[in-house]
Amino acid sequence: DGGITQSPKYLFRKEGQNVTLSCEQNLNHDAMYWYRQDPGQGLRLIYYSQIVNDFQKGDIAEGYSVSREKKESFPLTVTSAQKNPTAFYLCASSIMGLAGRSTDTQYFGPGTRLTVL
Amino acid sequence: AQSVTQLDSHVSVSEGTPVLLRCNYSSSYSPSLFWYVQHPNKGLQLLLKYTSAATLVKGINGFEAEFKKSETSFHLTKPSAHMSDAAEYFCVVSDPMHNDMRFGAGTRLTVKP
Repeated sequence: DGGITQSPKYLFRKEGQNVTLSCEQNLNHDAMYWYRQDPGQGLRLIYYSQIVNDFQKGDIAEGYSVSREKKESFPLTVTSAQKNPTAFYLCASSIMGLAGRSTDTQYFGPGTRLTVL
Repeated sequence: AQSVTQLDSHVSVSEGTPVLLRCNYSSSYSPSLFWYVQHPNKGLQLLLKYTSAATLVKGINGFEAEFKKSETSFHLTKPSAHMSDAAEYFCVVSDPMHNDMRFGAGTRLTVKP
């Protein structure tokens, strides 16, 4: 089965702790993305990566960090600096078109719900 | 710069009646436009996509959307709602040349028996 997997499905964190959310894809996609979803709001882009060992900040990168050591994997760390981390986190991927630009159809994982206790 | 506005945060219909979810967009480029559906605690699934070919786009599960440049709209419709259509729907505008993708705030569709 080809697709995007995220783990864990639910995650609880104490204040002051860092946590890492996993995202893996076997679609052979070059580009990967992390979004945050809050009730009543659309998705907001945290980070994205178009190639291994390279990533770019999105609209709300503060308090988050990522790595892209392998094409298949794009883990997101929510650090203690993120003031309001309780949210639903979605990972997505897409293929790259010509000239290194995204073809823009994104495929999403099932999400991780993070709750800060 | 791009933006997208979903005109209704919540739409309620009876099973078997038509569905209309409204979306207006703003873009300086020739955008691609999408509709995604999200069931509770799930990821987003692509319903349909417009990329400057036919203005009427047919998607999965009987949904379709019409691109109207003069009205900067991309409304989603379905002739007859089914209970399984109850979900959150997102309209998305994208400029792939600049790697910029914007999501609307979502419309929650409720289907009454």
